[in-house]
Amino acid sequence: KAGVTQTPRYLIKTRGQQVTLSCSPISGHRSVSWYQQTPGQGLQFLFEYFSETQRNKGNFPGRFSGRQFSNSRSEMNVSTLELGDSALYLCASSFLSETQYFGPGTRLLVL
Amino acid sequence: SQQGEEDPQALSIQEGENATMNCRYKTSINNLQWYRQNSGRGLVHLILIRSNEREKHSGRLRVTLDTSKKSSSLLITASRAADTASYFCATESNFGNEKLTFGTGTRLTIIP
Repeated sequence: KAGVTQTPRYLIKTRGQQVTLSCSPISGHRSVSWYQQTPGQGLQFLFEYFSETQRNKGNFPGRFSGRQFSNSRSEMNVSTLELGDSALYLCASSFLSETQYFGPGTRLLVL
Repeated sequence: SQQGEEDPQALSIQEGENATMNCRYKTSINNLQWYRQNSGRGLVHLILIRSNEREKHSGRLRVTLDTSKKSSSLLITASRAADTASYFCATESNFGNEKLTFGTGTRLTIIP
């Protein structure tokens, strides 16, 4: 089975812009979670989607949003980018088990 | 928010030696998982231990869990250069909205 894929892998944006990141889970996995990793805050949970519904949400401002499509692919959107949004954004999928399978991440740089 | 802390923050050992990393967490959990990350890439799941388990093995990995102390340890035996990576513990709990809450990580360097 192919692993979790994320696109794009690298992205450079400027403050005030918005960005959309994409995640394709492992075939058959219906749960997709997103995490932000920064040197200062470490790994932090953004949100989880299951069957197109947001099931959990971390403590991030409303500028961070996501959605999941019927094929389980997920997107996350960050509007009005700030310098502090520069991070590695990781997507993970899971089936019925608690184990999460992570993608390689999208590295976002905000200038 | 971070569930807890790991120590040491960094660890350097000779190839062939054993490496032990510790994780402390704050709230009651359903399970605790350990992940490895190479150079800012994606995380790889290593092992999961449930709250009613005390010890688990997988190959060269041994994980212990002490729920009374809210702590876990990961032991890597007979380390190899390829084990060089950052290691994170992550907890899944009944409380809160977070899917997984990660620790601060331990940077492990294996010296050939």
